[in-house]
Amino acid sequence: QKEVEQNSGPLSVPEGAIASLNCTYSDRGSQSFFWYRQYSGKSPELIMFIYSNGDKEDGRFTAQLNKASQYVSLLIRDSQPSDSATYLCAVKDYGQNFVFGPGTRLSVLP
Amino acid sequence: EAGVAQSPRYKIIEKRQSVAFWCNPISGHATLYWYQQILGQGPKLLIQFQNNGVVDDSQLPKDRFSAERLKGVDSTLKIQPAKLEDSAVYLCASSHAGTSSRNEQFFGPGTRLTVL
Repeated sequence: QKEVEQNSGPLSVPEGAIASLNCTYSDRGSQSFFWYRQYSGKSPELIMFIYSNGDKEDGRFTAQLNKASQYVSLLIRDSQPSDSATYLCAVKDYGQNFVFGPGTRLSVLP
Repeated sequence: EAGVAQSPRYKIIEKRQSVAFWCNPISGHATLYWYQQILGQGPKLLIQFQNNGVVDDSQLPKDRFSAERLKGVDSTLKIQPAKLEDSAVYLCASSHAGTSSRNEQFFGPGTRLTVL
């Protein structure tokens, strides 16, 4: 059974701080990794994907991947109250199989 | 481009009744997914289609759930009979086929099912 684990939170950070969200996965054959943001009552929307070891930056978001440690993270710089949401980590294998983690609730306090 | 369409958006039924959900994926997307998301949890894959063939239905409760994608485009998911624990949001997603690492899923708005 392929597993993806995340801290459920809530993770609370003050406005302007860096929020760090973590995800670990069990399947070493995993190829690519996705971070989705889900506002309450809405469907998930893609923030970033990463498939190579190292960092990938997009605006205020940075995804970090370490395949040896089976670990992927998302950093949100200059956090805003509008970033308050649940962040879902999803892992894809070589095919089209996605496995989602339970999500981490982030609360950015003004 | 138009997104993934789902209907209905909300449904309330009593236990032991049947219900059906419809999904129309993004045009050209060969892969279609149905997920169940219970409040406070991540999406759980129920079934995955590639065109009109089933790729993975290992987590589909086949005694009560069924799904089809007859023409390789839109899809229906049915529950018969429904149980209280089926109360959840049912999400449909689609993606391009192929094994590219970049193939992302796009989600529809979901159907919120309440079983009383």
